[in-house]
Amino acid sequence: DQQVKQNSPSLSVQEGRISILNCDYTNSMFDYFLWYKKYPAEGPTFLISISSIKDKNEDGRFTVFLNKSAKHLSLHIVPSQPGDSAVYFCAASGWGKFQFGAGTQVVVTP
Amino acid sequence: GAVVSQHPSWVICKSGTSVKIECRSLDFQATTMFWYRQFPKQSLMLMATSNEGSKATYEQGVEKDKFLINHASLTLSTLTVTSAHPEDSSFYICSGQIWGAEETQYFGPGTRLLVL
Repeated sequence: DQQVKQNSPSLSVQEGRISILNCDYTNSMFDYFLWYKKYPAEGPTFLISISSIKDKNEDGRFTVFLNKSAKHLSLHIVPSQPGDSAVYFCAASGWGKFQFGAGTQVVVTP
Repeated sequence: GAVVSQHPSWVICKSGTSVKIECRSLDFQATTMFWYRQFPKQSLMLMATSNEGSKATYEQGVEKDKFLINHASLTLSTLTVTSAHPEDSSFYICSGQIWGAEETQYFGPGTRLLVL
């Protein structure tokens, strides 16, 4: 039972434009949400997180939005850079465990 | 800070042999470590949670006798794939969690296992 879903397996965006990645979850008990970036054959690296008591968190080019009523979160990257090309996983945390989405492959084109 | 290493980074073994993967937290004490596996183009799937000094907790569908996990110290956890088969070929990733900061996990670089 997939409790965290990323319905877009891939996203292509032009350099300098905004990348918007979406993530939906089903379990209302999740209280912390994170985004990870992953390159092939490497472990995920932490990008940004948000607690369920907030609806927005910003860190440089990365902003995460949380809509609890819709059980939806999104990651905005602006401006997108070629080095942002990677797979992005959203994760939801509850009871100390993480559930991951299937990932979205982002390709930033010149 | 919060660096996790894994060894080996990749391994090829024959079917029926056992493979041990080490996960070390280099600059912090990981009271809890997690083991994940990832198939190509799929999500990270949690296999088990291990707490230092106690038995690992396995997720549903993960055979504990096949994937032996030992968390002998606050900086080392090992995953042993016993009697490996080709379907065990995957990317195995561990992560460490700091006590009191359970909202974040620090991931290792992963181990690519290929069973022939």
